[in-house]
Amino acid sequence: EDQVTQSPEALRLQEGESSSLNCSYTVSGLRGLFWYRQDPGKGPEFLFTLYSAGEEKEKERLKATLTKKESFLHITAPKPEDSATYLCAGPYSSASKIIFGSGTRLSIRP
Amino acid sequence: KAGVTQTPRYLIKTRGQQVTLSCSPISGHRSVSWYQQTPGQGLQFLFEYFSETQRNKGNFPGRFSGRQFSNSRSEMNVSTLELGDSALYLCASSLGQAHSGNTIYFGEGSWLTVV
Repeated sequence: EDQVTQSPEALRLQEGESSSLNCSYTVSGLRGLFWYRQDPGKGPEFLFTLYSAGEEKEKERLKATLTKKESFLHITAPKPEDSATYLCAGPYSSASKIIFGSGTRLSIRP
Repeated sequence: KAGVTQTPRYLIKTRGQQVTLSCSPISGHRSVSWYQQTPGQGLQFLFEYFSETQRNKGNFPGRFSGRQFSNSRSEMNVSTLELGDSALYLCASSLGQAHSGNTIYFGEGSWLTVV
């Protein structure tokens, strides 16, 4: 069964404390890997799309990487405004749909 | 360039009523997909429309339906509302079909409360 699993479920960091979020997925039929940020009460905001193992993309304090079995979202020197839920998702041709992970709730304390 | 627009943003309905939600995709995008988001279940796929045809459907009862117009705008309808239908309904658009790897962009969502 196609699956996308995120860990940890919640993460609390001090401002400036770097860390990584994990997204693991079943490989067969995957057509890419998406990362989104979602603030409470709002729709998910697109961050990155990765297509190939070894690919990396950066945006401000965020960097997304992709291996053959998982993706990481690295957050460097985070600020309180980075607090949000981060979602990863995989488009599966086998399932003809995008499967979302359950998200990581990130909280950055000043 | 304008993003995905959803209307209405908030609505309250009574159990047993029906509701129609509207979505205008990003200009040039031909695929529109709908999701239900609740605290307990996360983001659940409802259905996807591409070129006015439903291409895939999630595991929701027949009370949930949708359609897409020739200008790619889409509507979803929920009939005989139940308390459990209270959720944030999200629309997303993409250039091509989402499962092929086309990036999907979300609207702000429609908050539905059923009382």
